[in-house]
Amino acid sequence: GENVEQHPSTLSVQEGDSAVIKCTYSDSASNYFPWYKQELGKRPQLIIDIRSNVGEKKDQRIAVTLNKTAKHFSLHITETQPEDSAVYFCAASMQGGSEKLVFGKGMKLTVNP
Amino acid sequence: EAGVAQSPRYKIIEKRQSVAFWCNPISGHATLYWYQQILGQGPKLLIQFQNNGVVDDSQLPKDRFSAERLKGVDSTLKIQPAKLEDSAVYLCASSLEGIIRAFFGQGTRLTVV
Repeated sequence: GENVEQHPSTLSVQEGDSAVIKCTYSDSASNYFPWYKQELGKRPQLIIDIRSNVGEKKDQRIAVTLNKTAKHFSLHITETQPEDSAVYFCAASMQGGSEKLVFGKGMKLTVNP
Repeated sequence: EAGVAQSPRYKIIEKRQSVAFWCNPISGHATLYWYQQILGQGPKLLIQFQNNGVVDDSQLPKDRFSAERLKGVDSTLKIQPAKLEDSAVYLCASSLEGIIRAFFGQGTRLTVV
């Protein structure tokens, strides 16, 4: 079935540390993997995305890696800051009649000053 | 660039009542989505439109939920009659075409009592 697993569900780090969020997906045909950040009471915001033809993508302090063989992808945040505190959702494209995004359950990141 | 607009922001209704949500996507975006986000979970796709046609409504509870996107721009999502388990945030999102780079609205928080 269509499934995206995300772990851990919560993570607490000290300001300046790195944070890693991992996701696995079930559909070997998945080819698009976005990451969204959702602050409390606000809309999910797209922060980075990767397609299956690349293994890694960076944008300043955030990077995403993709391992198609193992069907997992990860978000890396370096030099974390208190404003990075939010819930982070991974998603993967799934085929099933039409192409759609399936989201993980989210990971709550807390960056302690 | 204006973002995805949704209204109302909050709605409280009694079970068995009906409710409607409105979404105005980013100008020029052909694809529009309605997601349901239950507290503590990731967004779950309810329905996906391409212009004014339905692409995927496989997870829409059609006995009580309906959605339309007349003229391929604005969209409305209706619930009739509402159940307690419909309490959630209803998010609208849009993208230029397909699932790539979808942008979310602020959502409507529905409470059914």
